[in-house]
Amino acid sequence: GEQVEQRPPHLSVREGDSAIIICTYTDSATAYFSWYKQEAGAGLQLLMSVLSNVDRKEEQGLTVLLNKKDKRLSLNLTAAHPGDSAVYFCAVSARNNRIFFGDGTQLVVKP
Amino acid sequence: EAAVTQSPRNKVAVTGGKVTLSCNQTNNHNNMYWYRQDTGHGLRLIHYSYGAGSTEKGDIPDGYKASRPSQENFSLILELATPSQTSVYFCASGAGLGASAETLYFGSGTRLTVL
Repeated sequence: GEQVEQRPPHLSVREGDSAIIICTYTDSATAYFSWYKQEAGAGLQLLMSVLSNVDRKEEQGLTVLLNKKDKRLSLNLTAAHPGDSAVYFCAVSARNNRIFFGDGTQLVVKP
Repeated sequence: EAAVTQSPRNKVAVTGGKVTLSCNQTNNHNNMYWYRQDTGHGLRLIHYSYGAGSTEKGDIPDGYKASRPSQENFSLILELATPSQTSVYFCASGAGLGASAETLYFGSGTRLTVL
């Protein structure tokens, strides 16, 4: 079955710096890719999703890159601020609609 | 506003006791899911459902049952709770719109402690 690896597990950056989180997956038929954010004491909320025919998507300071050849998905917070501190999860959808999550990245943005 | 509501938010149970976690969604979504979240394991799928009356086993179903009596409600049942089931449990719903494109909407979680 699909294997998703997410790194790094912990990331600390200064306000205004970039923060990059990477996920790799194994199933070449994976078609839908998402990033979720989990704030303390809350459930996950969708940040951004892309279909497999999209290589790059930018929204509100976030950039998602998809490299299908290397089976790699990344999330770049281009100018992080303390409000971005949270746990981030990648999620990929296999052909049968099953969704597989990475193990999460704890991001801390220091003022 | 569409929402997924879990109850209770916190629960303390004794070993061997029965625990029922409830989830209600107003999204009118076909799919519903139960996950548990533990440090070092991310989210693990316990059970899921494609609609009222259906339940499917996820990746870690042992020790858990699920019930989907209606489109809106999906319960997770621990018949004989064990300390290893101490965790944070999340319910989610999804529209399941074909071809793998599904966004999940999560509840706020239930923190379960089994003593």
